[in-house]
Amino acid sequence: QQQVRQSPQSLTVWEGETAILNCSYEDSTFNYFPWYQQFPGEGPALLISIRSVSDKKEDGRFTIFFNKREKKLSLHITDSQPGDSATYFCAANTNTGKLTFGDGTVLTVKP
Amino acid sequence: AQTIHQWPVAEIKAVGSPLSLGCTIKGKSSPNLYWYWQATGGTLQQLFYSITVGQVESVVQLNLSASRPKDDQFILSTEKLLLSHSGFYLCAWSLVWGDQDTQYFGPGTRLLVL
Repeated sequence: QQQVRQSPQSLTVWEGETAILNCSYEDSTFNYFPWYQQFPGEGPALLISIRSVSDKKEDGRFTIFFNKREKKLSLHITDSQPGDSATYFCAANTNTGKLTFGDGTVLTVKP
Repeated sequence: AQTIHQWPVAEIKAVGSPLSLGCTIKGKSSPNLYWYWQATGGTLQQLFYSITVGQVESVVQLNLSASRPKDDQFILSTEKLLLSHSGFYLCAWSLVWGDQDTQYFGPGTRLLVL
């Protein structure tokens, strides 16, 4: 049973559009949700994160919306740029230190 | 500023040969350390974690072992490589254990087993 699911698998948007990446989870004990951005051949880099006590977290063009009742969250990337083209991973953490990752969404931003 | 270094950058190894991958964290004292494996185009799977020197916990069994000989060093190894060991190995660190844990990743080591 996959604990963290992401959709879509791949997403293509035009430069300037808003990209919306979705994530859902099963385990209600998950209480911290980081999003990582990974470029080919590199390690993932922390992009933005949210704790379950919040319903929204904003950092520049990146915003996480969190719905605890439905166990869903989404990452919105506004004014998408070609440099945002990467794989985005949603992850979830409990108090055990184990980080569980989704399968990722490959984002392509066309100029 | 903290830096995380992984070595080697890439390896091509034969099935059945031994392997040793390393990770060093500089600029942080007593970090939690982690090893992850990522298949090409796949998700990240946590393999091991270590909270302190000399203590390593296994998360999944993949015929690999890990050791933490120093506070800032984490080693991943095996005596006999399998084809299934091919992939991208990532070391990560964090400072706080548990639900306040933010993990930061190194540049990774690409392994191809033939």
